[in-house]
Amino acid sequence: DIVMTQSPDSLAGSLGERATINCKSSQSVLQSSNNYNYLAWYQQKPGQPPKLLIYWASTRESGVPDRFSGSGSGTDFTLTISSLQAEDVAVYYCQQYYSIPNTFGGGTKVEIK
Amino acid sequence: EVQLVESGGGLVQPGGSLRLSCTASGFSFSSYYMSWVRQAPGKGLEWVANIEPGGSGKYYVDSVKGRFTISRDNTKNSLYLQMSSLRAEDTALYYCARSAAGCNYWGQGTLVIVSS
Repeated sequence: DIVMTQSPDSLAGSLGERATINCKSSQSVLQSSNNYNYLAWYQQKPGQPPKLLIYWASTRESGVPDRFSGSGSGTDFTLTISSLQAEDVAVYYCQQYYSIPNTFGGGTKVEIK
Repeated sequence: EVQLVESGGGLVQPGGSLRLSCTASGFSFSSYYMSWVRQAPGKGLEWVANIEPGGSGKYYVDSVKGRFTISRDNTKNSLYLQMSSLRAEDTALYYCARSAAGCNYWGQGTLVIVSS
């Protein structure tokens, strides 16, 4: 199984500050045949199901604010919130869909200072 | 509008069985992979199983293999998860999700509690 490791476990940032979440996979999730990274990012607010933010490591889902961006390739990935807003308080998860089982990272809790 | 509505959760004794259902609307159900993802109380997300659009290919996390069976009825726009030999560690909120590149639509979940 591919193990997804997120860091940090939690972060607290000021409004307008940049926030960065890291996700490392135990093996590459880059498909060489199409050069796609099979990596997604989700946001989960309390009492709600997860919401897809980013897929193919860097493609923003329709309707997701452009302050959210994804980057990385192979085994190392980053979700960046360029200017933290109050509504971004949530837990963020990465997930690989390269191989079965489609494993999730442990989550990163984002709070406002 | 895409909607996924889960049902069938509840309290069950260890060793018991339960069948979860997910009814889909607002999209061409038979064209998509569908997944079950669970979340134990206060914990993170765990992918459980998914199924190919036609229903032939079914995939599971090791911890549920041989105990859970995913299935679908494309004529009823419905996804199912038959769970047997349930354990305390299966206690979770079970979500169904439409799967493409990641899971782009999720239901609200149905809660399964395994306890005596």
